Amino acid sequence: DVKVTQSSRYLVKRTGEKVFLECVQDMDHENMFWYRQDPGLGLRLIYFSYDVKMKEKGDIPEGYSVSREKKERFSLILESASTNQTSMYLCASSAETQYFGPGTRLLVL
Amino acid sequence: GDSVTQMEGPVTLSEEAFLTINCTYTATGYPSLFWYVQYPGEGLQLLLKATKADDKGSNKGFEATYRKETTSFHLEKGSVQVSDSAVYFCALSAKAGTALIFGKGTTLSVSS
Repeated sequence: DVKVTQSSRYLVKRTGEKVFLECVQDMDHENMFWYRQDPGLGLRLIYFSYDVKMKEKGDIPEGYSVSREKKERFSLILESASTNQTSMYLCASSAETQYFGPGTRLLVL
Repeated sequence: GDSVTQMEGPVTLSEEAFLTINCTYTATGYPSLFWYVQYPGEGLQLLLKATKADDKGSNKGFEATYRKETTSFHLEKGSVQVSDSAVYFCALSAKAGTALIFGKGTTLSVSS
């Protein structure tokens, strides 16, 4: 079974903090993705990566950056957390079909 | 650009009722189509998929047929159970393995 794990299920941070969300997959997938999920908006793509050290902006990259130093790990970084980044963050990996992690629910106070 | 539109929820049904959740898409070329399900407090799970026109995806009693002529991929189940209560997302990808474009999700609530 494909396994995508995310470092935290719940996270509470203060405005202005630097936040790291980690994602690891165990299926040797080339492609990895970060989405955020908000009520009424569905899932929106933040960043994605089709190879190690490669990254591409998605639809809503502002305020975020990513790191892909190893094939199995894709990190999302909030450079200076703001309250409007309170959300559910979902990581996914794929060969042909995307598999999702359990999500990290982030609250920024 | 590509987009997915699915029916607004919530959808409230009694156990054993028939379910339809409508999904239509706009895309250039021939996208792959997916239904994902999200149970409370969990991430998304792939429910079914179809990769070309007239393909039917099926899983756990759910079905959806890729209709190119109507650009639709409606989700159906003949008899829902309480355990089917969840949020359902329709999605497309322009090419296998690439980023997904999601609809906004439809919440299904089934009561006994």
